[in-house]
Amino acid sequence: QKEVEQDPGPLSVPEGAIVSLNCTYSNSAFQYFMWYRQYSRKGPELLMYTYSSGNKEDGRFTAQVDKSSKYISLFIRDSQPSDSATYLCAMSFTNAGKSTFGDGTTLTVKP
Amino acid sequence: EAQVTQNPRYLITVTGKKLTVTCSQNMNHEYMSWYRQDPGLGLRQIYYSMNVEVTDKGDVPEGYKVSRKEKRNFPLILESPSPNQTSLYFCASSSLDSPEKLFFGSGTQLSVL
Repeated sequence: QKEVEQDPGPLSVPEGAIVSLNCTYSNSAFQYFMWYRQYSRKGPELLMYTYSSGNKEDGRFTAQVDKSSKYISLFIRDSQPSDSATYLCAMSFTNAGKSTFGDGTTLTVKP
Repeated sequence: EAQVTQNPRYLITVTGKKLTVTCSQNMNHEYMSWYRQDPGLGLRQIYYSMNVEVTDKGDVPEGYKVSRKEKRNFPLILESPSPNQTSLYFCASSSLDSPEKLFFGSGTQLSVL
């Protein structure tokens, strides 16, 4: 079983929809939780970053971490066609210099 | 502009022919790492480096070598490439203050025939 499992997708939604992307993990020692966005033929770019449990909001994006359930989510409000990309969750230990990634969920937002 | 630069972007080679993929960052980051991305397997770490002359294996190091002689550069070496190393490779860097916040290069698509 993988340490990080991500909802596989693909996901297709109409413009303006609320999108929920989810990951579960098995290692309770993970402390840092990240979401990366990867456009086609590009490298991943850091979108959201959370330390430990709780919520973090940045514009239309909200990241949630529930350490008790080992579950993290990324919500996108008022989704736009420019949000069409692959979203990768990632987790790491303290000061490890190494992140463990989910397989990614490909999102398409249709105009 | 802060960036991680990988070269080449695309590479086609044959089994057994040694190759090097270069990676350079201009952010004075201490951490650098290499990942490969394969369908259904996600991003997997090959090697990482915490500073000059300090490197360590990641999850899938077999068949790869790295060196960190300068802080800004972290080349990936395939001494004898095989077809199962056909993949999309990414170099990443991060700072000592926030090692989990990775900055990625644009990727190198490698095909080994």
